[in-house]
Amino acid sequence: AQKITQTQPGMFVQEKEAVTLDCTYDTSDPSYGLFWYKQPSSGEMIFLIYQGSYDQQNATEGRYSLNFQKARKSANLVISASQLGDSAMYFCAMREVRGKLIFGQGTELSVKP
Amino acid sequence: DAGVTQSPTHLIKTRGQQVTLRCSPKSGHDTVSWYQQALGQGPQFIFQYYEEEERQRGNFPDRFSGHQFPNYSSELNVNALLLGDSALYLCASSWGGGGEQFFGPGTRLTVL
Repeated sequence: AQKITQTQPGMFVQEKEAVTLDCTYDTSDPSYGLFWYKQPSSGEMIFLIYQGSYDQQNATEGRYSLNFQKARKSANLVISASQLGDSAMYFCAMREVRGKLIFGQGTELSVKP
Repeated sequence: DAGVTQSPTHLIKTRGQQVTLRCSPKSGHDTVSWYQQALGQGPQFIFQYYEEEERQRGNFPDRFSGHQFPNYSSELNVNALLLGDSALYLCASSWGGGGEQFFGPGTRLTVL
């Protein structure tokens, strides 16, 4: 069965430093998409970055990059130059072929000044 | 360009009551998916509507039902509310039954 695992319930990072949030996935489908979302305390899910299963290059979006290791079934999010506003819950999600998103349990990131 | 909107923002109900939550998709989107997010958990897929039909369904009982209107907006109905239905209900829209999903701000439902 498809599954997303985020093993870090909480993470701390110093402002301006980089941080890596871990995500592993399990699927038997050859075609899938991997997403990272940010969820501040307000509750809205904010799209950060996307990686397709056939993409050869790792995705990047500004300060966000996705370290995609297909053989290891991992899709870690790297946030460079952390800012206080990055403090939030972060969810890794996998999209099945028909569009359903499967989410991990989330990682709560706290950025320290 | 309006994003995904949901109403109401917050809702308090008592056990056994029925509730209807509403979602308007992002302009140009025709697919709506609903998710339930319990406190401290990741969102769980409830169902997806495309072309006014339920296209996919997650592991939720029949108390959870939905509808999609010709203008692509959608409703989520929950009957016979239980305490465990208390959660943030998120609506996401996309195009063509797949694609990137854009989320609304959610509706916080509290069942007393």
